[in-house]
Amino acid sequence: DIVLTQSPLSLSVTPGHSASISCKSSQSLLHTDGKTYLYWYLQKPGQPPQLLIYEASNRFSGVPDRFSGSESGTDFTLRISRVDAEDVGIYYCMQSVQLPLTFGAGTKVEIK
Amino acid sequence: EVQLLGSGGGLVQPGGSLRLSCEASGLTLSDYGMNWVRQAPGKGLEWVSAISKSGDTKYYADSVKGRFTISRDNSKNTLYLEMNNLRVEDTALYYCAGTYWGQGILVSVSS
Repeated sequence: DIVLTQSPLSLSVTPGHSASISCKSSQSLLHTDGKTYLYWYLQKPGQPPQLLIYEASNRFSGVPDRFSGSESGTDFTLRISRVDAEDVGIYYCMQSVQLPLTFGAGTKVEIK
Repeated sequence: EVQLLGSGGGLVQPGGSLRLSCEASGLTLSDYGMNWVRQAPGKGLEWVSAISKSGDTKYYADSVKGRFTISRDNSKNTLYLEMNNLRVEDTALYYCAGTYWGQGILVSVSS
C-alpha cells in the first residue's frame, strides 16, 4: 500500500498569514495517463471532507484561489495564503493512483 | 446543488447486518466511479470499497473482504453497501465518496 506522510500534524496560524502542509508519498503517484493522482481535502468540524485540490495542483470548482497545490516528485504541498477563520479543520491528502486508496493522517489547522 | 443522501445506519450487535444507501441528486451517479470511506470516532479516513461506473468492477479493503458487498443502481442514482458479520471495529461514520462526499452514515456495532 502507498503510505502518505503528512506534516505537520497540527498548525496554528495567524489570520492573514500563510500556511503550508506537506504530504510525502512512499511511491510515485504519476499514472501512465500522465496525471498525478494526489488530492487535498478539508474536513471542517462536523462535516464530511470537501475537495480542494485534485491531480496535485488543480483547484476544484468554487475553491478560493488562496488555496494552491504543488508537487516535486513524490513530495506534495498545499499552501494556504491569507488564512481565514473559515479555513479551520483537518486537511487530508489522498492518493488514488493505486488501490487501496490511502490518506495521510491529517493536519489540524487552528486560528491563533 | 449536488447532494449525496445517506441512510441505513444504526446500532447493531456483533455478527449483525446493515445495508447502507447513498442517493445522489444534482449529479448523474453513473458518470462516476464511487467509493465507501469510513472514519472511526476521532480517527482518520479509511477506504473501504470501490465500484466502477457501470458496477462491473468492485474492490474491497482486506479488512472487509468477504463481509461487505458494494453495488449500485444507476437507474435510481443510488450506491449501496451491504455489511454482514459486523464487528465492533466496524464502528464508524461511513461516507459515500467520489468527487463529492455524502454527509456520513453512522454505524455502531456493540453488544
